[in-house]
Amino acid sequence: GENVEQHPSTLSVQEGDSAVIKCTYSDSASNYFPWYKQELGKGPQLIIDIRSNVGEKKDQRIAVTLNKTAKHFSLHITETQPEDSAVYFCAGSQGGGADGLTFGKGTHLIIQP
Amino acid sequence: DAGITQSPRHKVTETGTPVTLRCHQTENHRYMYWYRQDPGHGLRLIHYSYGVKDTDKGEVSDGYSVSRSKTEDFLLTLESATSSQTSVYFCAISEFRGDTEAFFGQGTRLTVV
Repeated sequence: GENVEQHPSTLSVQEGDSAVIKCTYSDSASNYFPWYKQELGKGPQLIIDIRSNVGEKKDQRIAVTLNKTAKHFSLHITETQPEDSAVYFCAGSQGGGADGLTFGKGTHLIIQP
Repeated sequence: DAGITQSPRHKVTETGTPVTLRCHQTENHRYMYWYRQDPGHGLRLIHYSYGVKDTDKGEVSDGYSVSRSKTEDFLLTLESATSSQTSVYFCAISEFRGDTEAFFGQGTRLTVV
């Protein structure tokens, strides 16, 4: 089955700087890679996603890049703000007809004022 | 927010007792999922459903069963709770299969003592 590795586990950046979180996946049949943001006491919320036929996708301050050959994808947040502080999870779809998502272990992003 | 309600939100139970968690959706989505979230493990898929009475196992299904008798309800049952099942449980729904956007509920914190 799919295996998703996520780094770093904790990331501290100054407000206004950029943050980058990286993930790798193992199943070449995976074709969908979402990123979720989870605030304390809440469920994960989708912030951006990318499909395997696209190399990059942007939504305001957030962007995701995908390298299918290397099997890795990254989340980029520019001009970080205090409200960006949260835990971020990457995920990959299950290949081979199975359903559900395989998640990375999460990155705790801390925005320093 | 997607119309997903999990109940109860918090529960403390004793080892060996049966426990049922409920997920109710108002979106009429076909796919429903149960995940558990533990420190250092991210979210892991327990079971999922692809229609009424159609369910399948996920990565960590041992000790859990599910049922879906109506489109809107997906039940997760711990037949005989163990301390290793202390976790936060999240229900998720998606309109199409696993390689599309999934919406998460607020979670149920279960403690087995």
